[in-house]
Amino acid sequence: KAGVTQTPRYLIKTRGQQVTLSCSPISGHRSVSWYQQTPGQGLQFLFEYFSETQRNKGNFPGRFSGRQFSNSRSEMNVSTLELGDSALYLCASSLQARLDGYTFGSGTRLTVV
Amino acid sequence: SQQGEEDPQALSIQEGENATMNCSYKTSINNLQWYRQNSGRGLVHLILIRSNEREKHSGRLRVTLDTSKKSSSLLITASRAADTASYFCATDADDSWGKLQFGAGTQVVVTP
Repeated sequence: KAGVTQTPRYLIKTRGQQVTLSCSPISGHRSVSWYQQTPGQGLQFLFEYFSETQRNKGNFPGRFSGRQFSNSRSEMNVSTLELGDSALYLCASSLQARLDGYTFGSGTRLTVV
Repeated sequence: SQQGEEDPQALSIQEGENATMNCSYKTSINNLQWYRQNSGRGLVHLILIRSNEREKHSGRLRVTLDTSKKSSSLLITASRAADTASYFCATDADDSWGKLQFGAGTQVVVTP
């Protein structure tokens, strides 16, 4: 079966711009989580959605937002980009997270210049 | 901020040897998971151990969990060059749905 698909794979944006990243979970998975990975801070939780509802949110500024659609696909948006937003953004989906864990996508590498 | 710490930060071994890495965490957990990451790509789920379990095996992987010490270890037996990767532990806290807190990772290099 198809894995978690993240698009685009790479992005270069300018400071002040906004960006939207997309994640298509494994078919049937209703939980989608987002993580930011940087060399300095490691893997940091952004938010998690289940059946179109945000169930949990990490400690990121309001410039970071997300949503989930009725087909479980999810998008995250970052507005007013800063240099420090340069990172690998990872999406993960699960069916029964507390039994099986998560399946991660390959990530979107965002570079802000 | 990260939930836990991993030890060692880096590990270099030869093919055929065993690799052991440790993870410590701070809060009460529902389960602890281990993931592998190759060269900044996506994470691959390796194994999940629940808080009421003490040991779990999957192929060449053995994970232990000591909730009294808030620590876990991952053992990879008979390492192969393909095991070269970064390994992360992640905790799923009892009171926090859908959120994993990751350690800083252990970078493992297996040389032929």
